[in-house]
Amino acid sequence: QKEVEQDPGPLSVPEGAIVSLNCTYSNSAFQYFMWYRQYSRKGPELLMYTYSSGNKEDGRFTAQVDKSSKYISLFIRDSQPSDSATYLCAMVPAGGTSYGKLTFGQGTILTVHP
Amino acid sequence: GAVVSQHPSRVICKSGTSVKIECRSLDFQATTMFWYRQFPKQSLMLMATSNEGSKATYEQGVEKDKFLINHASLTLSTLTVTSAHPEDSSFYICSATGQGAATNEKLFFGSGTQLSVL
Repeated sequence: QKEVEQDPGPLSVPEGAIVSLNCTYSNSAFQYFMWYRQYSRKGPELLMYTYSSGNKEDGRFTAQVDKSSKYISLFIRDSQPSDSATYLCAMVPAGGTSYGKLTFGQGTILTVHP
Repeated sequence: GAVVSQHPSRVICKSGTSVKIECRSLDFQATTMFWYRQFPKQSLMLMATSNEGSKATYEQGVEKDKFLINHASLTLSTLTVTSAHPEDSSFYICSATGQGAATNEKLFFGSGTQLSVL
């Protein structure tokens, strides 16, 4: 069993839709959770960073963490064609990225069509 | 966010030659840099971790003599693919984390290098 499971999709939605991206994990040591967006042939871009259960909102993006269920989500409201990309969840144990390494999900390919 | 610059963005080389990829943190001091490899439609695979001034730590299965990593300063790390072969063709990405409040605990990625070995 992989430490982090992410639905690879692909996911195709119309412009304006609400998108839900999800990851589950098995390692209870993970304490920091991140969402990255990666456009084709580009490096990942950090979108959201959280370390506690609950919701964190930034513009059209909301990151949700449920440590008791080992489940994280990223919601995108009013999706735009420019949101079309691969979304990667990532997580790391306490001690942070300086002392450990991120464990990535497989990535979800999202296409938002006009 | 912090900026990590990676060059070149694309390189094509002949089999048997060596290729150097640079990764620079432009506006922060990168205490630790990471090198990843990514195959099409797959996630990132960590190759090695490097701390400034010390030898890199390689992940299991990664040949340290083939993928030479140098982290000589707090703003620069290089990955040299020695005697490249077609199976080394891949997308290589570096990332960095720093010490300041804005960069600690977070990873910032370069734009990646597409290596094609003929």
